[in-house]
Amino acid sequence: EVQLVESGGGLVQPGASLKLSCVASGFTFSDYWMSWVRQTPGKTMEWIGDIKYDGSYTNYAPSLKNRFTISRDNAKSTLYLQMSNVRSEDTATYYCTRVNYGRLMDAWGQGASVTVSS
Amino acid sequence: DIQMTQTPSSMPASLGKRVTISCRASQGISNYLSWYQQKPDGTIKPLIYYTSNLQSGVPSRFSGSGSGTGYSLTISSLEPEDFAMYYCQQYDSSPWTFGGGTKLELK
Repeated sequence: EVQLVESGGGLVQPGASLKLSCVASGFTFSDYWMSWVRQTPGKTMEWIGDIKYDGSYTNYAPSLKNRFTISRDNAKSTLYLQMSNVRSEDTATYYCTRVNYGRLMDAWGQGASVTVSS
Repeated sequence: DIQMTQTPSSMPASLGKRVTISCRASQGISNYLSWYQQKPDGTIKPLIYYTSNLQSGVPSRFSGSGSGTGYSLTISSLEPEDFAMYYCQQYDSSPWTFGGGTKLELK
C-alpha cells in the first residue's frame, strides 16, 4: 500500500524557518517525481513545487520560489520542504504527493498543519 | 498563471441525483485537467486525469469531459460517500493551478 506521512508541522513565528518531512512507503520512491501542495484555512489549494525522481531538478510556483526549497533523500525515501522567512499567509495544511508518469498527483499524504503566528 | 474557475462553489443534492461540476480555464489547457476528491477528514484522492480518464479504483459513476478551456465532472447517481469537496487542476502550464473547489452537500 502506498503511504505518504508528513511531519514537522506546528506553530511557528513570523520570519522563522521550518522544515517539513514526508516519509514514503509502499513504492520505489526513487522512481517518482514528488510534489508539495498546500491548502489554506479557506480551502484554497496551491501547488508549491515538485522535484525530479533523482533530485536533479526542481520546479516551483514563482510566488514561493525565493522562500521554499524542495529536496529529497532517496536512501531514506523522504521528501522535504524547507520553508524560510514564513509569513501569516503560509498558514496552511501541507500535503506531500506522488506524481505519476502522466503528471497526475496520484497519492497524497494526510497533511501537516502549519500555523504562522506570534 | 492559468486561472481555474470552478462552479458552483457549493451544491446541495440528493442521493441518486446526477450532478455536474464545471471548471473553466483562463486559456486553453489541451485536456491536461485532473479532478480530485477531498473527504471531510482531509483525505484527498485523484478521480480523473487527462480530462476523462478514470483513475484506477474510481467508480464508473464518475466521468469527465471537456476541451479547450471548459471541463466538467459528472457523477451519474450520488452515493453517500460522494458528499465531499471536489477540485479541478490544470497541468498544462506551470505553475499547476487548482479551481476554488466545489462542496457537494447532502440536501
